[in-house]
Amino acid sequence: AQSVTQLDSQVPVFEEAPVELRCNYSSSVSVYLFWYVQYPNQGLQLLLKYLSGSTLVESINGFEAEFNKSQTSFHLRKPSVHISDTAEYFCAVTFTGGGNKLTFGTGTQLKVEL
Amino acid sequence: GAVVSQHPSRVICKSGTSVKIECRSLDFQATTMFWYRQFPKQSLMLMATSNEGSKATYEQGVEKDKFLINHASLTLSTLTVTSAHPEDSSFYICSARGISHNSPLHFGNGTRLTVT
Repeated sequence: AQSVTQLDSQVPVFEEAPVELRCNYSSSVSVYLFWYVQYPNQGLQLLLKYLSGSTLVESINGFEAEFNKSQTSFHLRKPSVHISDTAEYFCAVTFTGGGNKLTFGTGTQLKVEL
Repeated sequence: GAVVSQHPSRVICKSGTSVKIECRSLDFQATTMFWYRQFPKQSLMLMATSNEGSKATYEQGVEKDKFLINHASLTLSTLTVTSAHPEDSSFYICSARGISHNSPLHFGNGTRLTVT
């Protein structure tokens, strides 16, 4: 069965510290990978995506994620977080032939503290 | 950029009543819309896929008679929760995709439904 796993439900971190949010998937076919961010009582916003090409993808606000096919991972990283990064982050996958349906991980709550 | 408007953002209703949630694509035509449900501390679960002009495709375990989906135009899809019960209380989110096969998905801001 195809699935997405986010190992950490909560990640507390101090401001300006680095952070990594983990995401692993299982699939027997090719995948497209996404990270979405959800602020309280808001919808999801696309943070970044991997479709093909370079395995390292970046967002405009300093986040980056690297597709690692051998480890079936797509971890999200930021070298220095800000208070405004506090939100819930969802890893999502579309599998080839999935009809654009997204399968989401359970989410990771990132809490940035002063 | 493309925007999806979801309304209402919050609704409280009494048990047994019905609630309609609207999802509109404001500056693009959405041939396909998806409806998700999010339980606290859990992931988003796809409920159904809605294609303009045809019947929605429901995921396994989702009651189609309880969660009525209508996609009558290229810019509007509605989800009606019929005879709502407290266990239907949840966060519902829609997403929409444009006509092109490679169009990205855009998400609404979600609707917090509380059934008392």
